[in-house]
Amino acid sequence: SAVISQKPSRDICQRGTSLTIQCQVDSQVTMMFWYRQQPGQSLTLIATANQGSEATYESGFVIDKFPISRPNLTFSTLTVSNMSPEDSSIYLCSVVTGTGRTDTQYFGPGTRLTVL
Amino acid sequence: GNSVTQMEGPVTLSEEAFLTINCTYTATGYPSLFWYVQYPGEGLQLLLKATKADDKGSNKGFEATYRKETTSFHLEKGSVQVSDSAVYFCALSDLDTGRRALTFGSGTRLQVQP
Repeated sequence: SAVISQKPSRDICQRGTSLTIQCQVDSQVTMMFWYRQQPGQSLTLIATANQGSEATYESGFVIDKFPISRPNLTFSTLTVSNMSPEDSSIYLCSVVTGTGRTDTQYFGPGTRLTVL
Repeated sequence: GNSVTQMEGPVTLSEEAFLTINCTYTATGYPSLFWYVQYPGEGLQLLLKATKADDKGSNKGFEATYRKETTSFHLEKGSVQVSDSAVYFCALSDLDTGRRALTFGSGTRLQVQP
């Protein structure tokens, strides 16, 4: 398993500002993802955070809005830029441990973002 | 593409009742299947998993069997408790397509009344 922490746990932000969310893992992991959970909804993948290279974004998500850094195998950040109320969500990072069919994805506690 | 369909919630049960939450999937390859649980105000926790047909995942009294013939992975518990009140998500990963990220169902809220 993996122990994942996120900072901040929650924040209330003003429209037009940006927030950077940090994700720290207690062990080195190859695969790390960022998801968004809008109020009352399921989880949607934002991007795969690649160590040492640009993140891979899902359809509907762009780097200018959600820049991601992954400087090493234990840490990543997600920035939510130029925020609007529609960005109010829980943002979760996750990591995969194990290999092949034994691998399992673990999630951080999430960052609850409210944009006014 | 891949998709997961869960029964609509909320599901409201009395304590000690039997629980079934239905989950069916479509996948391009041969997926691994998961159930995650999200307690109020908390993040997602892995509840159980199954990686091949006829595997049964189990944890905390919950069980789910990977049924390839019906493309289903229904979650069951024989006797629910108030503390089981949470949102349950069915999910899959499809290694055959190289996609390690999870595809989630819409989630099913369970409310257990004393």
